[in-house]
Amino acid sequence: EVQLVESGGDLVQPGGSLRLSCAASGFTFRDYWMYWVRQVPGKGLVCVSHINTDGSYTAYEDSVKGRFTITRDNAKNTLYLQMNSLRVEDTAVYYCVRKMIHNPFDRWGQGTLVTVSS
Amino acid sequence: EIVLTQSPGTLSLSPGERATLSCRASQSISRNYLAWYQQKPGQAPTLLIYGAFTRATGIPDRFSGSGSGTDFTLTIGRLEPEDYAVYYCHKYDSSPLTFGGGTKVEIK
Repeated sequence: EVQLVESGGDLVQPGGSLRLSCAASGFTFRDYWMYWVRQVPGKGLVCVSHINTDGSYTAYEDSVKGRFTITRDNAKNTLYLQMNSLRVEDTAVYYCVRKMIHNPFDRWGQGTLVTVSS
Repeated sequence: EIVLTQSPGTLSLSPGERATLSCRASQSISRNYLAWYQQKPGQAPTLLIYGAFTRATGIPDRFSGSGSGTDFTLTIGRLEPEDYAVYYCHKYDSSPLTFGGGTKVEIK
């Protein structure tokens, strides 16, 4: 069974840091591009960052550039998102999502809540 | 960046009625790489339709997608109780990948 399990969400003060993890199982992790998609509670979906299959290419949404870093460990089947200099507006549920080229997002994790507040 | 605009924002319908949801893109989406997702409260989105009209595995045939270029439609043939949710369209042809703002289908 395909599973994506996020962890690491927490309450953090503005300016703080968090590292999110996404443990993948049930499929060949190294064959998929991986994305972090966030959703402010009650609002829409935004792609925050993505990484290619071997980790040599990454991209970021403008509001997180220079603050967030996406990485992956294909030996451990795990995706990461290092979040620094967190802002109140980063408060959201963060989903780990898999994607193959020419295909849509077909599996999502359950999400992990990041709350940035003083 | 291609902007996806969904309408209406909210659709109030009774069980058994037909639902028609619209997604309009600010520019043509190549190869009709347009997907639809369903999201229920407290859950992650699930894939319903991709390639504008292909149902994902296990999706009932009361869900159908149509359209091309800039105008796309998701139709739910006869609403079942489990269909009340928020629906998002999504373009996945090239970065940035974007989503529409969503249409909430609620019980009338």
